[in-house]
Amino acid sequence: DIVMTQSPDSLAVSLGERASINCKSSQSVLYSSNNKNYLAWYQQKPGQPPKLLISWASTRESGVPDRFGGSGSGTDFTLTISSLQAEDVALYYCQQYYSTPQTFGQGTKLEIK
Amino acid sequence: EVQLLESGGGFVQPGGSLRLSCAASGFTFSAFAMSWVRQAPGKGLEWVSTISGSGGSTYYADSVKGRFTISRDKSKNTLYLQMNTLRAEDTAFYYCAKDTMVRGLFDYWGQGTLVTVSS
Repeated sequence: DIVMTQSPDSLAVSLGERASINCKSSQSVLYSSNNKNYLAWYQQKPGQPPKLLISWASTRESGVPDRFGGSGSGTDFTLTISSLQAEDVALYYCQQYYSTPQTFGQGTKLEIK
Repeated sequence: EVQLLESGGGFVQPGGSLRLSCAASGFTFSAFAMSWVRQAPGKGLEWVSTISGSGGSTYYADSVKGRFTISRDKSKNTLYLQMNTLRAEDTAFYYCAKDTMVRGLFDYWGQGTLVTVSS
């Protein structure tokens, strides 16, 4: 199984500042035949189900604000929120869908400083 | 608008059984794989099972293989998870999720149903 490890476990950032969450996979999730990274980011607010934010490591889903950005390739990925808003307080999970079982990182709790 | 509505959760003793349902609407149900993902209270996300759009292929996490069975009813646009021989470690919120055209990437999630296994 591919192990996904996020860092940090929790993060406190001031409103308007940049927040970055890292995700490392135990093996590459880059599929060589199509040069795509099978890596997604989800946001989960308290009492709600996860919401897909980013797929293919860097493709924002429809309706996701452009302050959310994804980067990285192979085994190392980053979710960046360029200017933190109050509504961004949530848990964030990375997930690989390169192979079964699909696996998630342990989650990063993002709070306001 | 895609909607996924789970039901069937509840309290069950260890060794017992439960069947979860997920009523889907707002998309062509048979065109997409569907999955169950669970989350123990206060913990992270764990993929449980996936079924292909046709229902002909199923996939399970090792932790539930042989105990859980995923199925779908095209005529009712409903996904199921039959859970047998339940254990305390199966206690979790169970989310129904719609896969995109890529299996394992989940673009819509239900609100979840809580399964509690305890004596």
